[in-house]
Amino acid sequence: QVHLQQWGAGLLKTSETLSLTCAVYIGSFSGYYWSWIRQPPGKGLEWLGKINHSGSVNYNPSLKGRVTISVDTSKNQFSLKLNSVTAADTAVYYCARLSGPGTYYFDYWGQGSRVTVSS
Amino acid sequence: QSALTQPASVSGSPGQSITISCTGTSTDVGAYDFVSWYQQHPGKAPKLMIYAVSDRPSGVSNRFSGSKSGNTASLTISGLQAEDEADYYCSSYTSSTTVLFGGGTKLTVL
Repeated sequence: QVHLQQWGAGLLKTSETLSLTCAVYIGSFSGYYWSWIRQPPGKGLEWLGKINHSGSVNYNPSLKGRVTISVDTSKNQFSLKLNSVTAADTAVYYCARLSGPGTYYFDYWGQGSRVTVSS
Repeated sequence: QSALTQPASVSGSPGQSITISCTGTSTDVGAYDFVSWYQQHPGKAPKLMIYAVSDRPSGVSNRFSGSKSGNTASLTISGLQAEDEADYYCSSYTSSTTVLFGGGTKLTVL
């Protein structure tokens, strides 16, 4: 059974950089995409981006270049950085496994990390 | 890119069937059979219920079914149970190699 465990700072100030990491336990790291998804309080899900084991990335264009997703295959981990945060970035952030090419669904999710941005 | 369109809320009585729609465009829902559906209970991570429009992961009740026509996908829950009360989200791969979610639908079991 695949398990995703995520961690990172939960309280940030405006203009700081959000940083989260997700470790993948059990199961193959290659052959899948790995994604970050967020959910503002009381609102819906927003896909932030995806990366595969070789570092090929795609981002949500609405984030306007503020987001970076990276991968460390030696540790089976991938990370999210979102710079210049504002209150609008306050959300629960999830890491998730996106099934490989030809399918595209999120079958395993992390526990979620609550991030609050204050001034 | 705009979110896929879902009704904000639906409701039904135990035992009844309900359908949640998910409308996109010819560059996402209409372009690929890569539509998936997720159930989310309060304070929990989303759970995959349907993938590839109509396939069910192992362990998901066969009361859940999915379909698609043109740019609109649908999730149907038959034999409603109290435990089905949750938020439901659709998702689709897009021609821009990105992923879109719907705005979410709150299901109330009366």
